Amino acid sequence: AQKVTQAQTEISVVEKEDVTLDCVYETRDTTYYLFWYKQPPSGELVFLIRRNSFDEQNEISGRYSWNFQKSTSSFNFTITASQVVDSAVYFCALSEKEDSGYALNFGKGTSLLVTP
Amino acid sequence: DTGVSQDPRHKITKRGQNVTFRCDPISEHNRLYWYRQTLGQGPEFLTYFQNEAQLEKSRLLSDRFSAERPKGSFSTLEIQRTEQGDSAMYLCASGPDVYEQYFGPGTRLTVT
Repeated sequence: AQKVTQAQTEISVVEKEDVTLDCVYETRDTTYYLFWYKQPPSGELVFLIRRNSFDEQNEISGRYSWNFQKSTSSFNFTITASQVVDSAVYFCALSEKEDSGYALNFGKGTSLLVTP
Repeated sequence: DTGVSQDPRHKITKRGQNVTFRCDPISEHNRLYWYRQTLGQGPEFLTYFQNEAQLEKSRLLSDRFSAERPKGSFSTLEIQRTEQGDSAMYLCASGPDVYEQYFGPGTRLTVT
């Protein structure tokens, strides 16, 4: 069963628009971690953020912000004022204490295209 | 740059041949993970090591897949008798603890 669901397969926006990438996860563990990674066309996965299950505080880093809501099992990612360089595939991932040494369970990814 | 490195970056092989990939983690990272990524999908966990001990290998895709980390430093992933379905990107990640994983550039395997 898919533990991480990214319902949006592809999103296309025009530069400077805001865009939110959705992530819904499923776990029975009380201790777990959520991640977002960016995979640009070059292919290398770039770490963006990690949140643990005990910290629901939202986070902002420049144009990026993350909204973690345990009540809805969601960890959404918003890019404000998108830029062409934001074009990439974005993956949400879950790691759990009880699963393979905290191995990452990835969603299928959301492909974001930002056009000028 | 002392990031995770993987070699080779690309490998083309004929069906039935054996292939071996190498991963050099960030120095002093005791945890090392292997993942496989097929087109249009997220990476899929295969196995992981803590130092030289392979602590999880039940998620390796078949008994044709094996991995080693002989001295707790670099690791190798071997696929025996390759099949066309093995064509994918093979990713290695390392981390100092359970909270972080840093990925290498991957090895793209094409089985013809």
